Amino acid sequence: GAGVSQTPSNKVTEKGKYVELRCDPISGHTALYWYRQSLGQGPEFLIYFQGTGAADDSGLPNDRFFAVRPEGSVSTLKIQRTERGDSAVYLCASSLTGPDEQYFGPGTRLTVT
Amino acid sequence: QKEVEQNSGPLSVPEGAIASLNCTYSDRGSQSFFWYRQYSGKSPELIMSIYSNGDKEDGRFTAQLNKASQYVSLLIRDSQPSDSATYLCAVKGNAGNMLTFGGGTRLMVKP
Repeated sequence: GAGVSQTPSNKVTEKGKYVELRCDPISGHTALYWYRQSLGQGPEFLIYFQGTGAADDSGLPNDRFFAVRPEGSVSTLKIQRTERGDSAVYLCASSLTGPDEQYFGPGTRLTVT
Repeated sequence: QKEVEQNSGPLSVPEGAIASLNCTYSDRGSQSFFWYRQYSGKSPELIMSIYSNGDKEDGRFTAQLNKASQYVSLLIRDSQPSDSATYLCAVKGNAGNMLTFGGGTRLMVKP
């Protein structure tokens, strides 16, 4: 079946602009995660959804970052007033339920100039 | 101190040899452990999960877990050049379902 999909694959934006990154999880997966990966490092957790609600947003670095999952499927990660330090690959993962194995999408490479 | 530690490498092994990748973690209450493979420019791909002490084998891969020592390892038998990648160790702690990743070990398998 289809895996996790993410759009866009690449996003270049200017400092201060607003961006939205989209994730479409594996069909039937109730849990959805966002991670961020900088070059040479492992992914870092941002936020976890179980269904429509954010079960854990402790990894969001500040209030410029926000994510939604209004219908319990597709999720959008929103970044306001982007900064150069936000440049990274943003990864989305999903699992059948919370405790299960997580499968990653291809990621969105965000570059803030 | 990082919560999940891995030697960054590179670990270089000849084709056909056994590659041994190691990972330590600090949260003694951790319950689930995963190995992901990440090719350059690609996203992490799940290759093994292990939940209880001992060994778990899947094809050429064996994951080993020792909770008392807070240590998890991945053995790759008959290493192939196509195994050349970064291997990420990930741990799910006692609180929450998020994964905490190590920095990854870069493996190079030379023909």
